Amino acid sequence: NAGVTQTPKFQVLKTGQSMTLQCAQDMNHEYMSWYRQDPGMGLRLIHYSVGAGITDQGEVPNGYNVSRSTTEDFPLRLLSAAPSQTSVYFCASINPRAGGGMNTEAFFGQGTRLTVV
Amino acid sequence: GNSVTQMEGPVTLSEEAFLTINCTYTATGYPSLFWYVQYPGEGLQLLLKATKADDKGSNKGFEATYRKETTSFHLEKGSVQVSDSAVYFCALGSRGNKLTFGTGTQLKVEL
Repeated sequence: NAGVTQTPKFQVLKTGQSMTLQCAQDMNHEYMSWYRQDPGMGLRLIHYSVGAGITDQGEVPNGYNVSRSTTEDFPLRLLSAAPSQTSVYFCASINPRAGGGMNTEAFFGQGTRLTVV
Repeated sequence: GNSVTQMEGPVTLSEEAFLTINCTYTATGYPSLFWYVQYPGEGLQLLLKATKADDKGSNKGFEATYRKETTSFHLEKGSVQVSDSAVYFCALGSRGNKLTFGTGTQLKVEL
């Protein structure tokens, strides 16, 4: 069981370049989300999706786009990378029906370390 | 809005020492509370959770009790091991499966 798979693990971009961070889960979870992790700031929610075709903004959405065409995949797009987007990015999924639907366990990918120069 | 405050690290302990990592929260309604652990180079994984007041979550020798009166969820372990070295995140789960994380506490356990 692969769980949540993120690619790539490492990436270096030049300012202004675009790229897509991939996230796939094989647990048939409806809820998926993207976080960024920065020193001293914990994890902050970028975007999330409650199901295929439905996405919404989190705490820090600016500079990022998402789409959810299938239950399995939730890619994160940087349209024009900036040094402020240097961070470690985590994708997570939740089965909202588990635990009676009450805020259950999030499964995380291993992260993508992105550096924008 | 919701927020989580946890003690700053790094915390350095000798093996077999007692561990406490403090966590307090601010939330509306009745949130669930979690501790996640991140080992070097890996993603976060759930360590334990509590879904209502006075619940105690436990796993791998770690414990935390959901204290509504003090809005706290402190993580404890009676005897830490070198393998417990990691970053620990306190988190609050609210309606819509949204998680609010603390800033993380790095624990280093030495022989």
